[in-house]
Amino acid sequence: DVVMTQSPLSLPVTLGQPASISCRSSHSLVSSDGNTYFSWFQQRPGQSPRRLIYKVSNRDSGVPDRFSGSGSGTDFTLKIIRVEAEDVGVYYCMQGTHWPYTFGQGTMLEIK
Amino acid sequence: QVQLQESGPGLVKPSQTLSLTCTVSGGSIRSGGYYWSWIRQLPGKGLEWIGYIYYSGSTYYNPSLQSRVTISVDTSKNQFSLNLTSVTAADTAVYFCARDPSTTRLDYWGQGTPVTVSS
Repeated sequence: DVVMTQSPLSLPVTLGQPASISCRSSHSLVSSDGNTYFSWFQQRPGQSPRRLIYKVSNRDSGVPDRFSGSGSGTDFTLKIIRVEAEDVGVYYCMQGTHWPYTFGQGTMLEIK
Repeated sequence: QVQLQESGPGLVKPSQTLSLTCTVSGGSIRSGGYYWSWIRQLPGKGLEWIGYIYYSGSTYYNPSLQSRVTISVDTSKNQFSLNLTSVTAADTAVYFCARDPSTTRLDYWGQGTPVTVSS
């Protein structure tokens, strides 16, 4: 299976400050069809995961533009330019290029 | 917008079969280009993808669970289901169903249903 490794696992951030989460995969996530099936999810306390970003850098409908995704191959990053209180939760990366799909361990974002 | 809702027993005895159903609303399960997935979240741990089904009935299961998992679909009810046999305490988790577009992978998720394996 493809191993997804996130860092940091805990991310205390001051309101209004930027935040960045890294995700590294054990295999290239470029598919044979040329796409990279890499996503970011946000899981707020008591809720189900919500997809924020798909195919590396595409924001889902309704996702604030303070969230952005970047990367290629095996290294990917989620950035929040100004953290707001509603951003508290656990963030997961996921690869859907290789079966079975696999997730990172999660990064807990909290407000300092 | 599509919505998914899991249902099933919250408590299952060890060695028995865990059975859950996901009801899809706001869209047809027969829509081309969409697979329908099950994912679970183990207590205090991360997410594990269990497998998916297409409306035609074709499936793919996570090899780690393949010997115990069956996913089925009922297009007349717009539902798909999960059966996990010979459960142990290690199968205690919150189980989610999700839509799985072939072009982007998992997008919409259900709210999740907690299942405890205990005698």
